[in-house]
Amino acid sequence: NAGVTQTPKFRVLKTGQSMTLLCAQDMNHEYMYWYRQDPGMGLRLIHYSVGEGTTAKGEVPDGYNVSRLKKQNFLLGLESAAPSQTSVYFCASRFVVGYEQYFGPGTRLTVT
Amino acid sequence: GQSLEQPSEVTAVEGAIVQINCTYQTSGFYGLSWYQQHDGGAPTFLSYNGLDGLEETGRFSSFLSRSDSYGYLLLQELQMKDSASYFCAVRISSNTGKLIFGQGTTLQVKP
Repeated sequence: NAGVTQTPKFRVLKTGQSMTLLCAQDMNHEYMYWYRQDPGMGLRLIHYSVGEGTTAKGEVPDGYNVSRLKKQNFLLGLESAAPSQTSVYFCASRFVVGYEQYFGPGTRLTVT
Repeated sequence: GQSLEQPSEVTAVEGAIVQINCTYQTSGFYGLSWYQQHDGGAPTFLSYNGLDGLEETGRFSSFLSRSDSYGYLLLQELQMKDSASYFCAVRISSNTGKLIFGQGTTLQVKP
């Protein structure tokens, strides 16, 4: 099992550019989450999904969109990147039952 | 608002015991989790307390007092590999599993 994978691992964008981050999990988890982590801070929830075809806003959703067309994939989109979106983005997934969230390795995004 | 407070840094020596505290103020509470993160890598789950009391998993234990809005992570027999950041996280929703994370405690273990 690969667990939770994220693509790409690193990316540099110019202000105003768009991109999509891909999260994939092979554990048949229902729930998936996107977080961002800034230096010296904990993780903040951007968006989440409780099942295929569903999405909902987290703490810091502005400037991001998400889609969950397939159960195993959760996409995070930046339509017009801003320097404030420079961060490390983590995806996580979880079974319906249980408490543990399984995290991917992260995507390090820099917006110049 | 929602807030979790934990110390920013803790230093201890190999073989010692260290306690990392977490106090919280959240709109909902369904449990307290702890995660470990090495050098900005993927956070990994350590423990969960849904009810008051102590949970033990090997060298790590976690405690919760819901009446005091307080919990802690206890690491025993510290090893160099325990040097990492530790995050407490409150589960604020029972059905979605949404978590609010603290800012993290950097633990440095010295020889």
